[in-house]
Amino acid sequence: DTEVTQTPKHLVMGMTNKKSLKCEQHMGHRAMYWYKQKAKKPPELMFVYSYEKLSINESVPSRFSPECPNSSLLNLHLHALQPEDSALYLCASSQAPLGFSYNEQFFGPGTRLTVL
Amino acid sequence: ELKVEQNPLFLSMQEGKNYTIYCNYSTTSDRLYWYRQDPGKSLESLFVLLSNGAVKQEGRLMASLDTKARLSTLHITAAVHDLSATYFCAVDRYSGNTPLVFGKGTRLSVIA
Repeated sequence: DTEVTQTPKHLVMGMTNKKSLKCEQHMGHRAMYWYKQKAKKPPELMFVYSYEKLSINESVPSRFSPECPNSSLLNLHLHALQPEDSALYLCASSQAPLGFSYNEQFFGPGTRLTVL
Repeated sequence: ELKVEQNPLFLSMQEGKNYTIYCNYSTTSDRLYWYRQDPGKSLESLFVLLSNGAVKQEGRLMASLDTKARLSTLHITAAVHDLSATYFCAVDRYSGNTPLVFGKGTRLSVIA
């Protein structure tokens, strides 16, 4: 299995809802990432997990809560989001954990989130 | 702070023509990555360049890295419509460490 999968593909939620995004990889990668991408912009890093531990939080608001239950799975829990949080949320993984080797990242298809 | 600059940001080119996209970065790094993104889709890894002088080719695309000049190029040969996409370069933020810093992307449109 050489891909990163993400569910759901599309999500529409209200500002009072709680939802979760899911990301899974079975390539044995030890680092996993969440990115946010607005239209016509590059991806913006949100979180990095290395060996299932949160290594980097790019000052993301607490309404976004990441979780890494095991080495293959990465979740992003969403609560009380704002309309400006509407974006494409991309998950990625890389073979080596932070600080080792190079960092070719493999991206999932993304979840297109709309906050009403 | 590591800065990654791509140019041009927009490129409209005719089928069959050649062109080069440039990626400059502001700090020492010997790891540079090129990604492609189709509209509404995810990022696809194109090239991983890991040393000075590295050159990689895939079909009509060729990427190179000059770490002394802090410059990578993505050369397009005899463009075809299927190459229309946004191309991002990305650089490791820290020496030997991650994560990546992306350029703003070059939106390429190949027209007949």
